[in-house]
Amino acid sequence: KQEVTQIPAALSVPEGENLVLNCSFTDSAIYNLQWFRQDPGKGLTSLLLIQSSQREQTSGRLNASLDKSSGRSTLYIAASQPGDSATYLCAVGAGSARQLTFGSGTQLTVLP
Amino acid sequence: DVKVTQSSRYLVKRTGEKVFLECVQDMDHENMFWYRQDPGLGLRLIYFSYDVKMKEKGDIPEGYSVSREKKERFSLILESASTNQTSMYLCASRRGRDYGYTFGSGTRLTVV
Repeated sequence: KQEVTQIPAALSVPEGENLVLNCSFTDSAIYNLQWFRQDPGKGLTSLLLIQSSQREQTSGRLNASLDKSSGRSTLYIAASQPGDSATYLCAVGAGSARQLTFGSGTQLTVLP
Repeated sequence: DVKVTQSSRYLVKRTGEKVFLECVQDMDHENMFWYRQDPGLGLRLIYFSYDVKMKEKGDIPEGYSVSREKKERFSLILESASTNQTSMYLCASRRGRDYGYTFGSGTRLTVV
């Protein structure tokens, strides 16, 4: 059964820092990987989707990479801002239906 | 942008009531999903639907049923609400299995 792990569970950084969030998965037979952001009490907002044939995707200050063979993905956030404070979730799509298995998230706090 | 709308942000129901949670998407997506999210347990898949009138059980279907009579609408039904169904419920949709998920803003259900 696929397991997705996100380390650290919580991270606090000063504004302006570049940071990396990590995601690892146990079964490398995935079709895609998606990063989400969740604000307290709200739904999930999609940030980036990486297909298994891709190595990385970029959107603004965000860059996500995927190393399928080693079962790892990273989300790089450049020049962090207090508005980036949220929980970041990684999810892998596998199986014939490409259903998502979620990690437990990294709670990020960016201090002004 | 695709919009996934959940009809209620907050809901309080009594034990034993039949509860309907509604989800509507506006971009003709084929697939729709219902998750619940609990602290320490993450997101867990309840039911999903690949197309109209089709439904499949997820990881925790007990105590729930679903209905998809129209492509844009996916309803989650709690046949007889219990206190252990107090949770955040999240609906999601996607165009097809190789596409990313779009989530609604969630319904916080409290069963008293």
